Amino acid sequence: GQNIDQPTEMTATEGAIVQINCTYQTSGFNGLFWYQQHAGEAPTFLSYNVLDGLEEKGRFSSFLSRSKGYSYLLLKELQMKDSASYLCAVRDLSEAAGNKLTFGGGTRVLVKP
Amino acid sequence: DVKVTQSSRYLVKRTGEKVFLECVQDMDHENMFWYRQDPGLGLRLIYFSYDVKMKEKGDIPEGYSVSREKKERFSLILESASTNQTSMYLCASSFRPYRQHNQPQHFGDGTRLSIL
Repeated sequence: GQNIDQPTEMTATEGAIVQINCTYQTSGFNGLFWYQQHAGEAPTFLSYNVLDGLEEKGRFSSFLSRSKGYSYLLLKELQMKDSASYLCAVRDLSEAAGNKLTFGGGTRVLVKP
Repeated sequence: DVKVTQSSRYLVKRTGEKVFLECVQDMDHENMFWYRQDPGLGLRLIYFSYDVKMKEKGDIPEGYSVSREKKERFSLILESASTNQTSMYLCASSFRPYRQHNQPQHFGDGTRLSIL
């Protein structure tokens, strides 16, 4: 099985930077995904990491350390529209054929003016 | 763009009813998934399917069944609805990883189901 932990809620100011951490325990790791979910809407894909290091996509970056079972999502130059929940999800090696993911509980980010 | 369509945004049913939730995707994805999402519990996998007529139990299959008769359609069935099945239900689809390793799952808008 898998265990995925991320903080429940974070608050930050418009224009600032926020880092959302995700730690996981898995018997066989085969990729980590980050999703954004606005209230009442579907989760949308943000980023994917399978190798150690940083992946950058505009204002969003995601980092992975497989040896530590750790990832973070970095949101820079925060905008009000970034207020949402951010979901960390891990794909287990044994489930690779089915692309089955296990999700963390999500981190609700509130951006204040 | 990938389109995953769920038949209803809101649904109200009564205890004991048989409930069908439908999901259709237009991207020829092999994999399809049903989740429920509850406050404090996150997304939990109910069932998934990696091919037509194939199904696999997820983490919380009790009280649910599924049907995948066509590649584009994946149905979730509540055999006898109970109040503890009141939840947001999300359908997702994806290619199998052998086609492209970084394939994300694409989600529908969800069905908010209330069982009275």
